[in-house]
Amino acid sequence: DIQMTQSPSTLSASVGDTVTITCRASQSISGWLAWYQQKRGKAPKLLIYRASSLKNGVPSRFSGSGSGTEFTLTISSLQPDDFATYYCQQYNSYPYSFGQGTKLEIK
Amino acid sequence: QLQLQESGPGLVKPSETLSLTCTVSGASMSSDDYYWGWIRQPPGKGLEWIGSMFSSGGSYYNPSLKSRVTISVDTSKNQFSLKLSSVTAADTAVYHCARQGHIMGAPVWFDPWGQGTLVTVSS
Repeated sequence: DIQMTQSPSTLSASVGDTVTITCRASQSISGWLAWYQQKRGKAPKLLIYRASSLKNGVPSRFSGSGSGTEFTLTISSLQPDDFATYYCQQYNSYPYSFGQGTKLEIK
Repeated sequence: QLQLQESGPGLVKPSETLSLTCTVSGASMSSDDYYWGWIRQPPGKGLEWIGSMFSSGGSYYNPSLKSRVTISVDTSKNQFSLKLSSVTAADTAVYHCARQGHIMGAPVWFDPWGQGTLVTVSS
């Protein structure tokens, strides 16, 4: 099974900052990675698929990069609405697995 | 706009079977070429994929749960269901349903998701 490890687990930042979240896979997953945003008590929302493709309607301040085993989600010019928990998910192989999450907090 | 909504008992006794239904609105499951999946989230923890089923049959289950899980699709009702047998306290979680796309038959990302329903396993 492929293990997904996110870092950091918690990230404190201010409105206007640029932040980067890292997701590492225990083996190569090519570019088969998605990123989700989840707010407390709400459904996760897809942000990025195929490592770097932005879902329609998602603000362009979100961007993803990486391939193989290391991936990043970058949020530039943080907005108040961006403070949430972020998860990566690999779909290179079954069973599909998620990172443990990164909680983005207001500093 | 496609929406998914989970429903089912919020409390299940240990050793019994957890049963949940996901109702899909805004599109017809019978005309859509997608997988339909379940993902759970224990309190304060991360996401765990449970399993996915294609609208016309064919399914994948997480090996860690496979012996206890059944997912079924009823396109006539625009619903799909999850059954998890022999539950224990470790199965307490928020259960989300979601649509899962595919690329040449291989399941990919989940979008959209239902809000989730908390199921507590306790006597």
